[in-house]
Amino acid sequence: DAKTTQPNSMESNEEEPVHLPCNHSTISGTDYIHWYRQLPSQGPEYVIHGLTSNVNNRMASLAIAEDRKSSTLILHRATLRDAAVYYCILRDKSGYSTLTFGKGTMLLVSP
Amino acid sequence: EAGVVQSPRYKIIEKKQPVAFWCNPISGHNTLYWYRQNLGQGPELLIRYENEEAVDDSQLPKDRFSAERLKGVDSTLKIQPAELGDSAVYLCASSARRDRSYEQYFGPGTRLTVT
Repeated sequence: DAKTTQPNSMESNEEEPVHLPCNHSTISGTDYIHWYRQLPSQGPEYVIHGLTSNVNNRMASLAIAEDRKSSTLILHRATLRDAAVYYCILRDKSGYSTLTFGKGTMLLVSP
Repeated sequence: EAGVVQSPRYKIIEKKQPVAFWCNPISGHNTLYWYRQNLGQGPELLIRYENEEAVDDSQLPKDRFSAERLKGVDSTLKIQPAELGDSAVYLCASSARRDRSYEQYFGPGTRLTVT
């Protein structure tokens, strides 16, 4: 699986937007970009995924660079509940490949 | 809809003892995964099942770890004998082929401490 690079940690204030970056310079044409997050003492949960176009859902937005070598997860208004480790994962579009987690980015949210 | 259920949530055992973890996936999910998560790391896949068949067990330490998924529903992961290095959180996840995103749904995990 192609590798992703994320900052170890980021900080934000409550109710401010958060932009979590991810570099994936070796992404292949068949790789989807998935984001999961893991709240303290819980299993990871799906956040969003995309291939080429920007994506929005109720949790977040995903902005994908035109060359697909990087992407950004956007939380429009951070809440204390958004404090978690965020994982950026590349996954083949077949869907049969497993999730290969890195260390992710730990997001700290201050009131 | 009930999520992925795992038990126990916590387990403390002495080294060389056996231990087993149980997972009940979301109803209708044909794919089941076991992951291990060491402190400060992301989860790592141990084994993946498609229905009853283990289709990827390349990362499962087969000398001491075993898993089964009888009838393609519940699954059990066993360690015998446990070693100090097995202390970790063991996560179960499931997914459905009909879900085009192939989103994986994770349980809360079992935190194993080997003393």
